[in-house]
Amino acid sequence: ETVLTQSPATLSLSPGERATLSCRASQSVMTSLAWYQQTPGQAPRLLIYDASTRATGTPARFSGSGSGTDFTLTISSLEPEDFAVYYCQQRSNWPLTFGGGTKVEIK
Amino acid sequence: EVQLLESGGGLVQPGGSRRLSCVGSGFTFSTYAMHWVRQAPGKGLEWVADIRGSGGSTNHAASVKGRFTISRDNSKNTLFLQMSNLRAEDTAVYYCAKDISGGYDYYFDSWGQGTLVTVSS
Repeated sequence: ETVLTQSPATLSLSPGERATLSCRASQSVMTSLAWYQQTPGQAPRLLIYDASTRATGTPARFSGSGSGTDFTLTISSLEPEDFAVYYCQQRSNWPLTFGGGTKVEIK
Repeated sequence: EVQLLESGGGLVQPGGSRRLSCVGSGFTFSTYAMHWVRQAPGKGLEWVADIRGSGGSTNHAASVKGRFTISRDNSKNTLFLQMSNLRAEDTAVYYCAKDISGGYDYYFDSWGQGTLVTVSS
């Protein structure tokens, strides 16, 4: 099973700051990686897939990069609605797996 | 607008059974693979099972294989998850999720609101 390790576990930032979230895979997943956002009490929302393709409706301030085992989700300037938990997910190796999440909280 | 509405959650005793349902609307249900993903309280996400649009092919996570069965009724735009021999560790919010494309792309672009299954005596 491909283990996805997200870091940091918690990121404390202020609105307007840049957020950089990391996802590391235990084996190569090529570019078959997605990012989801989850706010409290809500279902996850797809933000990015294929490592860098924004899903429909994802604001341009969200960008994804990486390939192989190291991936990054960047939020260029945090808006109030961006404070949430973010999960990465790989589909390259069966079974598909999710990372443990990074919580972006207001500093 | 795509909508997914789950139902069937509740309190179940260990060893018991439960069937979850998910009704889809706003898209051609029969042409999309569908998935169940669960989230234990305060924990991360775990993929549970998937089924092709035709219903002819399914996959289940090792943690539920032999106990859970995914199925669908395309005439009713409904996805099911039959759960049996439930354990405390199956306690979670169960989400149905739509695959991003007509095939097995394994990215989930629409999710239901979730239904909570609690396994406890």
